[in-house]
Amino acid sequence: AQSVSQHNHHVILSEAASLELGCNYSYGGTVNLFWYVQYPGQHLQLLLKYFSGDPLVKGIKGFEAEFIKSKFSFNLRKPSVQWSDTAEYFCAVSSYNQGGKLIFGQGTELSVKP
Amino acid sequence: GAVVSQHPSRVICKSGTSVKIECRSLDFQATTMFWYRQFPKKSLMLMATSNEGSKATYEQGVEKDKFLINHASLTLSTLTVTSAHPEDSSFYICSVIEGQSNQPQHFGDGTRLSIL
Repeated sequence: AQSVSQHNHHVILSEAASLELGCNYSYGGTVNLFWYVQYPGQHLQLLLKYFSGDPLVKGIKGFEAEFIKSKFSFNLRKPSVQWSDTAEYFCAVSSYNQGGKLIFGQGTELSVKP
Repeated sequence: GAVVSQHPSRVICKSGTSVKIECRSLDFQATTMFWYRQFPKKSLMLMATSNEGSKATYEQGVEKDKFLINHASLTLSTLTVTSAHPEDSSFYICSVIEGQSNQPQHFGDGTRLSIL
């Protein structure tokens, strides 16, 4: 069965620090990969997605993620975080033949100190 | 603006009550919607896939008689928690796919259900 693992449960950073959140998935076939963000009191929003092509994808608000197929990984990065990046971050995977069903990781809570 | 409208945002009711949650696609017609459940400090768990005009597809371990899904139109899916008990208290979220199944999902704001 598919699964998604996010390594960090809670990350605390100071403003301007660099961020990398790990995400690994288990599935042997073709996958689509997503990072969603949930700001306090708000709904899930798409940060970025990977379907095919360049494995380094850029999303909104300065975030990027790199798909490394050999490592089954899709880590999220940002060179310099801001206080407003405080939120819950979810990695998610869907496979081509599953009708769009998303499998989510456990989520990583990011707290950025001003 | 919002793509998906979910209503109500919060429900508090007594044990044994049935509760209906609505999910509306505001900007496009959606043949497929999804229902998730999110426990505190935990990930979203897919409960079922709601298909317009046909029966919902439930994930393993989800009781279809407990969580009734009706997708009667291309813009509305409803989730009814029947005879709710305290263990059904949770955060329920719907999502909508625009176009093909490999496109990103748009999520509703969620419904906080509390059963006393």
